[in-house]
Parts: sequence; C-alpha cells; structure tokens
Amino acid sequence: GNSVTQMEGPVTLSEEAFLTINCTYTATGYPSLFWYVQYPGEGLQLLLKATKADDKGSNKGFEATYRKETTSFHLEKGSVQVSDSAVYFCALLDTGRRALTFGSGTRLQVQP
Amino acid sequence: DTAVSQTPKYLVTQMGNDKSIKCEQNLGHDTMYWYKQDSKKFLKIMFSYNNKELIINETVPNRFSPKSPDKAHLNLHINSLELGDSAVYFCASSQPGQGLETQYFGPGTRLLVL
Repeated sequence: GNSVTQMEGPVTLSEEAFLTINCTYTATGYPSLFWYVQYPGEGLQLLLKATKADDKGSNKGFEATYRKETTSFHLEKGSVQVSDSAVYFCALLDTGRRALTFGSGTRLQVQP
Repeated sequence: DTAVSQTPKYLVTQMGNDKSIKCEQNLGHDTMYWYKQDSKKFLKIMFSYNNKELIINETVPNRFSPKSPDKAHLNLHINSLELGDSAVYFCASSQPGQGLETQYFGPGTRLLVL
C-alpha cells in the first residue's frame, strides 16, 4: 500500500534559519505529492504541490521538488519566520483511489 | 466566503450518545471526504463520496455513517460514541478530472467524548 514517511519533530529553529523537512514515499504508479500546513487550532491549508517527476512546487518562500529516483519530496525554505511555526504534513494522492495518504506530520517551532 | 465549512467546530459529549457533524462546500466539487486526525496528529481517510455515491469506505466501525443529501453536503453521523472517537474530524472536497486534483479542507470539528 501507499505510505509517506516524514522526519520526526519537533524541529526548532531560530528566525532566518534554513529549513528542511524530509519526506519520502512509497506508492505504486505515479502519485501527486503535496505539502499541507496546519497552524495551531486551525484546519489544513495546501502549501504546495507537484504532479510529476522533477516538478517543483513553491509558495510563500517554501519549495519542494518531486524526486522520483529517490521517492522524495523534501520541503525547504531559505529563511524561516516565527509565523511559520506550525505542523507540516507531506501527502500523496493515489489518483486511482483519490484519497490522500498523509505522513505523521512535523512540528516546526521558530524562535525569535 | 468559506469554501468548505463544518459545524459544529467543537463538540463535547458523553459516551454512548449519538452525534452528527455537518459539512458543506461551495466550490462546486463532485467529491467530498471525511478524514480523522488522532491525538498524535495522524490523519487518515474515513470516507469519500462522489456525486452522492460512496466510493471509499475505510475500515471504520459501522457506528460511523456518512450521509450525502446532495453533492455539496457530506454529513457524518456517529452512534454510541466511545472515548476513542475523540479526535478532530476534517471534511474536504475536490474536483476530479481537473488536472492536479487538490483537496480543500474545512476547519475541522474537535470532538471530545467524556
């Protein structure tokens, strides 16, 4: 079956530090890949997405590249802010089944 | 305008009670979903409906029954609530067949069973 593995958190960084959150997946076929963000007490918001190998998704300074050879979709940001503190979820969409399979989430804490 | 809305936002109830959570989307999407987020933040699909037809039904206790009166609404009814049902329940919607199919989530319903 499909699965998504994320690095365990929490990840604690100082403001303006470089962020990487690792995500690898196992899937049959060619899934679409997503990063969702959940701010404290809120629902899930789509952060970025990619549909095929070598696609790069980007939004609000965050980037992730769909790497088929390493089955990875790592999230990066060059300079984090306190407002980026949240839980980040990597997910894949099995287009045949149309359900998202989520990773366990990584909590990011950015300190001023 | 809220794209995917859920009511109530918070629900506190006693074990054994029956409760419902409502979801509405105004995006014109054909497919709607229910996901459960447990206390460790792990998210898992429960149900999916496409145009009022059930297409995904994960191994969820039959105390949980989804109902889709029309394609803009997907409600979740839970009978005989148990302590382990305490979680955050998220509704989502998407439109299949439009290239990259993105699911849009509601704000969640935080259910606490005492």
